[in-house]
Amino acid sequence: EIVMTQSPATLSVSPGERATLSCRASQSVSSNLAWYQQKPGQAPRLLIYGASTRATGIPARFSGSGSGTEFTLTISSLQSEDFAVYYCQQYNTWTFGQGTKVEIK
Amino acid sequence: QVQLVQSGAEVKKPGASVKVSCKASGYTFTSYGISWVRQAPGQGLEWMGWISAYNGNTNYAQKLQGRVTMTTDTSTSTAYMELRSLRSDDTAVYYCARTATMISDYWGQGTLVTVSS
Repeated sequence: EIVMTQSPATLSVSPGERATLSCRASQSVSSNLAWYQQKPGQAPRLLIYGASTRATGIPARFSGSGSGTEFTLTISSLQSEDFAVYYCQQYNTWTFGQGTKVEIK
Repeated sequence: QVQLVQSGAEVKKPGASVKVSCKASGYTFTSYGISWVRQAPGQGLEWMGWISAYNGNTNYAQKLQGRVTMTTDTSTSTAYMELRSLRSDDTAVYYCARTATMISDYWGQGTLVTVSS
């Protein structure tokens, strides 16, 4: 099984600052990597697929990068609505990371 | 607009079965698959499996093999997920998601399944 490891578990950021979230795969997943945002009581929302392609309607402040085993989600200037839990998912064999909670500093 | 509407919350006893439905609208049902993902209280996301709405092909998570069955009814654009021999650790919110080329872009609202004696 491909294990996805996200870091940090919790990220404290002030509104307007940049947030950088990491995701590492235990073996190469090429660019078959997605990022999701989940707010309390809501379903996950697709942000990024193919490691770097924004999904429909996703603001440009969200960007993804990486390939193989190392991936990054960057939120360039955090807005109040961006405080949430973020999950990476590899879709070679469909496993999720454990999530990174982005909280207000 | 694409919508996935799931059935309501369920309470089941250990050993029972549950069947959750997911009714799709706003797109051609047979052009996509449906994935099922669950989330235990306070925990992360766990992929359960996928079904092609085109031909019914399935791919289940190994840990659920033998206990889970995913089906579709193309006449009503509805997907179903049945989980048998329920245990307390199956208590979770269950989500369906429209899936194409293995990317899940639209999600249902979730169905809480509680397993308790």
